[in-house]
Amino acid sequence: EDKVVQSPLSLVVHEGDTVTLNCSYEVTNFRSLLWYKQEKKAPTFLFMLTSSGIEKKSGRLSSILDKKELFSILNITATQTGDSAVYLCAVEARTSGSRLTFGEGTQLTVNP
Amino acid sequence: DGGITQSPKYLFRKEGQNVTLSCEQNLNHDAMYWYRQDPGQGLRLIYYSQIVNDFQKGDIAEGYSVSREKKESFPLTVTSAQKNPTAFYLCASSITGDVYEQYFGPGTRLTVT
Repeated sequence: EDKVVQSPLSLVVHEGDTVTLNCSYEVTNFRSLLWYKQEKKAPTFLFMLTSSGIEKKSGRLSSILDKKELFSILNITATQTGDSAVYLCAVEARTSGSRLTFGEGTQLTVNP
Repeated sequence: DGGITQSPKYLFRKEGQNVTLSCEQNLNHDAMYWYRQDPGQGLRLIYYSQIVNDFQKGDIAEGYSVSREKKESFPLTVTSAQKNPTAFYLCASSITGDVYEQYFGPGTRLTVT
């Protein structure tokens, strides 16, 4: 059974801090790892990491994938109150027919 | 504008009643999914469909049913057999074939009393 574990489950920081969110996984026949941001309702897509793309960056957010150690991190630099959200990590297996297995999520709160 | 719509946003039902949640997409995606999210938890897959007239059970399909008669629509019925139906339900869709992200609808919050 595929498994995704995120840590920490919650995190409170001050504006301007840098945060690192962790995602470890166990999946048979790994295909991709995805990060989503969820603010109250629909998760919005952030990054997808695969064997051919193990590092992604967009503005203050960046993510890397370590396929050997089976984990990924999501970094957010110079945090803002608008970064407050639940960050979800999910993995897809090649044999899963495009279905995703999600972790519990990390609740990030950025205080002014 | 292309996207996924779910209705209603909030739904209240009495225990013992079946209820159907709507999900429509105009992204021309082949695959559609239903997830359930409970407070403080991640998303758990209920059902998914990769093509019209075909669907598969996810990890928590008991007490739920779906249909996929049209590419654009994937309604979810929460039956009275679902022991703990109160939750936030999210519908998603994606292209199939290679590695593509899933796009999510705004969700339906179902409360059963």
